[in-house]
Amino acid sequence: KAGVTQTPRYLIKTRGQQVTLSCSPISGHRSVSWYQQTPGQGLQFLFEYFSETQRNKGNFPGRFSGRQFSNSRSEMNVSTLELGDSALYLCASSLEAGGRNTEAFFGQGTRLTVV
Amino acid sequence: AQKVTQAQTEISVVEKEDVTLDCVYETRDTTYYLFWYKQPPSGELVFLIRRNSFDEQNEISGRYSWNFQKSTSSFNFTITASQVVDSAVYFCALSEANTGRRALTFGSGTRLQVQP
Repeated sequence: KAGVTQTPRYLIKTRGQQVTLSCSPISGHRSVSWYQQTPGQGLQFLFEYFSETQRNKGNFPGRFSGRQFSNSRSEMNVSTLELGDSALYLCASSLEAGGRNTEAFFGQGTRLTVV
Repeated sequence: AQKVTQAQTEISVVEKEDVTLDCVYETRDTTYYLFWYKQPPSGELVFLIRRNSFDEQNEISGRYSWNFQKSTSSFNFTITASQVVDSAVYFCALSEANTGRRALTFGSGTRLQVQP
């Protein structure tokens, strides 16, 4: 069974540009969450999607957005990039079972560098 | 608000030593889940264990064991007879169940270095 796939693995962007990251969850998983990991702030929750709807959102500015498609694949977008957006962006998928909180399986992440 | 504290920033041990990684959590929910993840240099977070708040039974999986104590809000992780391959950053995480939030709140991580 394939794991969580994130593309691209590495990305270099210039300040002010926008970027779109992609995540394909484990087959059958309907919940997709995104996290940002930086040396200073650690791992922080960005948002979670379930059945194409954003179910939860972390404390990030509106420049960070996401969406989920009918096949559960998800994308996140960051507009007007800032140097501080340089981070490892991790996607996680979960199997919702009777509403219970199940474990999240993570992809290898996309390392974004803003110059 | 929920919070996870991993006070040990970095631990260095010699192969075959036992090592315990500490995790202390805070939550107002009566129902919650605790997790441990391992992050090797490749970056991917590898799931190790999930424990719900109603199950205080300790668990052992091979060289890994976990000690969950609600009375002290701790969920500690012990590696017995450590190996070089155990070198990684280990994260403890918490999620609430009653609020419907699925977000994981992570601790700051403990970097474990196992020397040969």
